[in-house]
Amino acid sequence: DAGVTQSPTHLIKTRGQQVTLRCSPKSGHDTVSWYQQALGQGPQFIFQYYEEEERQRGNFPDRFSGHQFPNYSSELNVNALLLGDSALYLCASSLSGLGQETQYFGPGTRLLVL
Amino acid sequence: AQTVTQSQPEMSVQEAETVTLSCTYDTSESDYYLFWYKQPPSRQMILVIRQEAYKQQNATENRFSVNFQKAAKSFSLKISDSQLGDAAMYFCAYRSSYGGSQGNLIFGKGTKLSVKP
Repeated sequence: DAGVTQSPTHLIKTRGQQVTLRCSPKSGHDTVSWYQQALGQGPQFIFQYYEEEERQRGNFPDRFSGHQFPNYSSELNVNALLLGDSALYLCASSLSGLGQETQYFGPGTRLLVL
Repeated sequence: AQTVTQSQPEMSVQEAETVTLSCTYDTSESDYYLFWYKQPPSRQMILVIRQEAYKQQNATENRFSVNFQKAAKSFSLKISDSQLGDAAMYFCAYRSSYGGSQGNLIFGKGTKLSVKP
C-alpha cells in the first residue's frame, strides 16, 4: 500500500522565483492538505483540496496557490518567493467522510530560498 | 480560535523507562479530535495515536497511551518501555469536527524527546 509521496525532496530557489511542489496521496484517499513547517515550529495549515476544489484555506497570502488533479494528486505553487518561505512543506492525505479524520503525511519537501 | 500548547520543549528518558509528554488545548467546541504525531529526524510525520472527544475511554496503541481530560482540556501522551527508536519530535494536534474546519489540523510547537541507552 503506497503511502503519501512528495517531490522533490529538496529544492533551492532565489528570491522572486516561483516553485511547484507535488504530492501523491495515499492509495484510496481523495483529500489533500498542505502545511508549512518552519524550523523548530509545528506545521501551519496552508489549504486543503477535495474534488479538485480548494475547500479550506489557512492564513497564507495569495502567492500560495494549489491544484488538485482528477487522480487526487496535488500541486502547491508559491510565487514571488521570499526568504521567509524557506521551510519544510508537508502534504497530508485523508479520506472524506465521517470517521475518516486522520491525516497521513508525506516525507516533505525542504525549500530553501536564497 | 483553537490553540494547542506543549509546555515542554525538550524531554529525556532512560531506555525502558516511562515518560509523559504534556499537551493542553483551548477550544469552545464540544466535539473534536486530538492526535499525537511523531517526527523523527527523517522528517516524516507519523501518527502515533488519536482520540475522539466524545469517547471517555483513553486511547491506547501498544506502548503508547493517552490521558484525556476533557474538562481540563488536557491530552498527555505516555510512552512505556521507551526504546531508542522513540527519539523524535512529538507534536500534539487538534482537529475540529465542525463544517469548514474539518480539514485543519492545529499543531503545538512540539516536544523533542531524547532516549538515553
